[in-house]
Amino acid sequence: DTGVSQDPRHKITKRGQNVTFRCDPISEHNRLYWYRQTLGQGPEFLTYFQNEAQLEKSRLLSDRFSAERPKGSFSTLEIQRTEQGDSAMYLCASSLTSGGRTGELFFGEGSRLTVL
Amino acid sequence: AQSVTQLGSHVSVSEGALVLLRCNYSSSVPPYLFWYVQYPNQGLQLLLKYTTGATLVKGINGFEAEFKKSETSFHLTKPSAHMSDAAEYFCAVSRTGTASKLTFGTGTRLQVTL
Repeated sequence: DTGVSQDPRHKITKRGQNVTFRCDPISEHNRLYWYRQTLGQGPEFLTYFQNEAQLEKSRLLSDRFSAERPKGSFSTLEIQRTEQGDSAMYLCASSLTSGGRTGELFFGEGSRLTVL
Repeated sequence: AQSVTQLGSHVSVSEGALVLLRCNYSSSVPPYLFWYVQYPNQGLQLLLKYTTGATLVKGINGFEAEFKKSETSFHLTKPSAHMSDAAEYFCAVSRTGTASKLTFGTGTRLQVTL
């Protein structure tokens, strides 16, 4: 039983560089979510997809952030021109919208970004 | 807008003692409430959820929570703490049962001592 996987687990980059994170959800899950978590805070919603459609984006998601889920399977989150304030753990989760475990989000272990 | 407040960023209990982690919510619509647990170097895992129906909800690992509308609370309890319960616990609220957008609290770190 493979869960949600995220890659890379850790990324250190210099300010101004672009970074991309990948998330592979549980295979039959049609919804995919991105959250961001900083130290001492709970996860903050960024965006979510149903299949390949991006249904909602948080105001936290500035123009430098873009997320895609091109074929309704894996997703990427790209941050352009990174800033030190982007340093955080980026969490991916997936869920079903029907069936016994509807609404339960299954989280990956996260991708930790450090911007120097 | 919805929000949750978790009282106490750190809670320490002795092994075998009662665990009580507090969560209060604010919501303009009937809320759906969740508790997640995060063990070190692991992803968040659902402990339990309240959608509709019975207000006392039982979850995994012996945890339970009671939805109290009059108090806008959804506190998490466990009668007897175990060392393996040491983790960070997050309360979350959603407008729908499908949890399209969860709003999390800031978390409570539970320490269990011998």
